[in-house]
Amino acid sequence: EVQLVESGGGLVQPGGSLRLSCAASGFTFSSYAMNWVRQAPGKGLEWVSAISGSGDRTYYADSVKGRFTISRDNSKNTLYLQMNILRADDTAVYYCAKGRGAVDIKIDYWGQGTLVTVSS
Amino acid sequence: QSALTQEASVSGTVGQKVTLSCTGNSNNIGSYAVGWYQQISHGAPKTVMFGNSLPSGIPDRFSGSKSETTASLTISGLQPEDEADYYCSTWDYSLSAVVFGGGTKLTVL
Repeated sequence: EVQLVESGGGLVQPGGSLRLSCAASGFTFSSYAMNWVRQAPGKGLEWVSAISGSGDRTYYADSVKGRFTISRDNSKNTLYLQMNILRADDTAVYYCAKGRGAVDIKIDYWGQGTLVTVSS
Repeated sequence: QSALTQEASVSGTVGQKVTLSCTGNSNNIGSYAVGWYQQISHGAPKTVMFGNSLPSGIPDRFSGSKSETTASLTISGLQPEDEADYYCSTWDYSLSAVVFGGGTKLTVL
């Protein structure tokens, strides 16, 4: 059974940093691309970033480019999102989501999410 | 503004058939399979359809289709537990990004 468990969310001040983690199990982690998707309070789903199975290709939404960095450790079956220069509009639940193949970014499984609140 | 366009709201009665649509362009829906995701009361999303493939555990009253740049999710025999927000999504090669629709709120009357 595919399981994705996010952690690392919390309250951070504007301009601050936070690193999210996603522990994966139930599938061969290195064989699948992974995504981060967020949902601001009362809003729809917004794709944030993706990384290929090997980690050699990364993709970012314009809204986070230059501030967020996606990475993965295939030896630990863990996905990360380093978030810097956080703004109030980054406040959201962040979901880890599995892709359908090593370079197929499209999403088939979701984690439960972790809440990030950016506020002074 | 979302790259994919969905109805803001759709409603139906128990047992009725409803169809949700998702419109894009040749760079996204016209080129790739579309995923449909159900979100109940802002909980975690769940995949209910990918292309025209039904994930394990999803009732067969859900079905998916696509015609050119519009994808559709049909629920035949609507049930109260189907009330949720539904999002469509796929890859957009011109943006090199995953794109989502704005979501459809499905109400079961």
